[in-house]
Amino acid sequence: GQNIDQPTEMTATEGAIVQINCTYQTSGFNGLFWYQQHAGEAPTFLSYNVLDGLEEKGRFSSFLSRSKGYSYLLLKELQMKDSASYLCAVTDSNYQLIWGAGTKLIIKP
Amino acid sequence: GAVVSQHPSWVICKSGTSVKIECRSLDFQATTMFWYRQFPKQSLMLMATSNEGSKATYEQGVEKDKFLINHASLTLSTLTVTSAHPEDSSFYICSARIEADYNEQFFGPGTRLTVL
Repeated sequence: GQNIDQPTEMTATEGAIVQINCTYQTSGFNGLFWYQQHAGEAPTFLSYNVLDGLEEKGRFSSFLSRSKGYSYLLLKELQMKDSASYLCAVTDSNYQLIWGAGTKLIIKP
Repeated sequence: GAVVSQHPSWVICKSGTSVKIECRSLDFQATTMFWYRQFPKQSLMLMATSNEGSKATYEQGVEKDKFLINHASLTLSTLTVTSAHPEDSSFYICSARIEADYNEQFFGPGTRLTVL
């Protein structure tokens, strides 16, 4: 079966750095997405990785290792508004998005 | 660019009535649209994949006769929840995929359905 694992919940301090991990087992791979979702809202796109390595975009960076079936989302200089759920999703060989359950990130002052 | 709208953003209805939710791609043509449902504190659950001009493909466990999907044009897909019951109360989100960009899905803002 297809499976995506990420921690259920993480807590971090304002101004700090947090890394959210995601491991996946899917039938084929055509890219990995990270989405941010605030409570009661639809997901918003953060990043897309299809090749190995690190993609940096402002305070957010995303890393991919296809051989390990592993990705992480790195958030720097955390702000209170970063409190949200972070969803990892993988596109399989049929270009279907397989979703992780999401990681709820709690930022404390 | 790549904006997806949903209407209504929230709806309250009585048990037994039907509710229609519209999903529109505003500035691009979407050959494929997806309908998701999300219960509180849970992840997105794909309900069905909708291709323009053809019947929707439903995920296992999703009742076709209860959740009617119509994708009549390249910019509009509708989801009708027929004979809604309180257990259908959920957050319904659509997304659309641009044909040229086969990977990324653009999400609508979601529709909060509450069935009394």
